[in-house]
Amino acid sequence: NAGVTQTPKFQVLKTGQSMTLQCAQDMNHEYMSWYRQDPGMGLRLIHYSVGAGITDQGEVPNGYNVSRSTTEDFPLRLLSAAPSQTSVYFCASSYRAGGLTFYGYTFGSGTRLTVV
Amino acid sequence: KQEVTQIPAALSVPEGENLVLNCSFTDSAIYNLQWFRQDPGKGLTSLLLIQSSQREQTSGRLNASLDKSSGRSTLYIAASQPGDSATYLCTPSADRGSTLGRLYFGRGTQLTVWP
Repeated sequence: NAGVTQTPKFQVLKTGQSMTLQCAQDMNHEYMSWYRQDPGMGLRLIHYSVGAGITDQGEVPNGYNVSRSTTEDFPLRLLSAAPSQTSVYFCASSYRAGGLTFYGYTFGSGTRLTVV
Repeated sequence: KQEVTQIPAALSVPEGENLVLNCSFTDSAIYNLQWFRQDPGKGLTSLLLIQSSQREQTSGRLNASLDKSSGRSTLYIAASQPGDSATYLCTPSADRGSTLGRLYFGRGTQLTVWP
């Protein structure tokens, strides 16, 4: 099915471990982004990309790396996991229709990460 | 920095009521505004997208209005049903420079519709 696919759905890490959250979309969307959602707070932007080879930091980038080697994939890497990174992570994509016209976002179903 | 406020934070109503969910944002320079619903433990599902040049959008029992100059959007839900129970999120997107297309989130309105 077309859409945004995130893997894994659940993950438990020990403090100091590293891992990569995967995000893939098959809609040829240029714009992809990662958000984290914590209880009692709105979603916060971690990193985003406006196209292959182009990434930029969002609101809460510390402790995370991203790369965008293809249009389809936008993995999020946790370098050294900390309990403060326990959260639900969402990947989203969007597209442009001529010029700078952005349209609606499609979100993945999320990855629930626990760091112990 | 764009700040998004949604009122009420929570709403519990009996089935059949017509509902109004309010959203306000501090920076009126938005590109568009999207309403999402989020079911517990799930991702975000897009409901309606309003471009900045539009005043409203309708989809079934849902109608969203946008007053860009005053920084307000309203989501109307007609004849509410238990299946409408979810958290509703209003997300304006930035319209300029390096932040073009970025979404901004508030805490949402948690809606419960009981039979």
